Amino acid sequence: GENVEQHPSTLSVQEGDSAVIKCTYSDSASNYFPWYKQELGKGPQLIIDIRSNVGEKKDQRIAVTLNKTAKHFSLHITETQPEDSAVYFCAASPDNYGQNFVFGPGTRLSVLP
Amino acid sequence: DTAVSQTPKYLVTQMGNDKSIKCEQNLGHDTMYWYKQDSKKFLKIMFSYNNKELIINETVPNRFSPKSPDKAHLNLHINSLELGDSAVYFCASSPGNIETQYFGPGTRLLVL
Repeated sequence: GENVEQHPSTLSVQEGDSAVIKCTYSDSASNYFPWYKQELGKGPQLIIDIRSNVGEKKDQRIAVTLNKTAKHFSLHITETQPEDSAVYFCAASPDNYGQNFVFGPGTRLSVLP
Repeated sequence: DTAVSQTPKYLVTQMGNDKSIKCEQNLGHDTMYWYKQDSKKFLKIMFSYNNKELIINETVPNRFSPKSPDKAHLNLHINSLELGDSAVYFCASSPGNIETQYFGPGTRLLVL
């Protein structure tokens, strides 16, 4: 089955710096790659997603890139702010039905003021 | 408010008991899910229902039984609770195939 790896497991950056989180997946049939942000005591919330027919997508300070050949995708956050501190999860959708998300193990991002 | 809601938020119980967690979504979505998040924050899908029909049933002990009385509700019943069942359980919903999943706030289950 699908296996999603995520690095780093923890990341500390200074406010204003950029943060990059990388994920790799194993199933070449996966075609949908969402990123979720989970704040303390809350459920995960989608922040950006990308489908396999697109190489890059941006939404203000957040961008995601996808390399289908290498089977990896990355989350880029620019001009980080303290409120960006959270656990970030990548996921891949490996089946045609598209509902069985396999999540990465998460990255705890700390933005230091 | 439109959202995915879960009750209860916290659940503390003894080993061997039976408990239920309720989930409701008023987003008009066709598909609902249950996830388990362990102490290391690892999120794993347990079940998925589409229009009240079971679509995904991952390797989960049969002590866990989901029930979907209608498209807007997906409840999780757990029999004979064990210590290892302690975790945060998240309900989620999505409009359909390969779509964004919207998560509820979670139910924190502690089995003593």
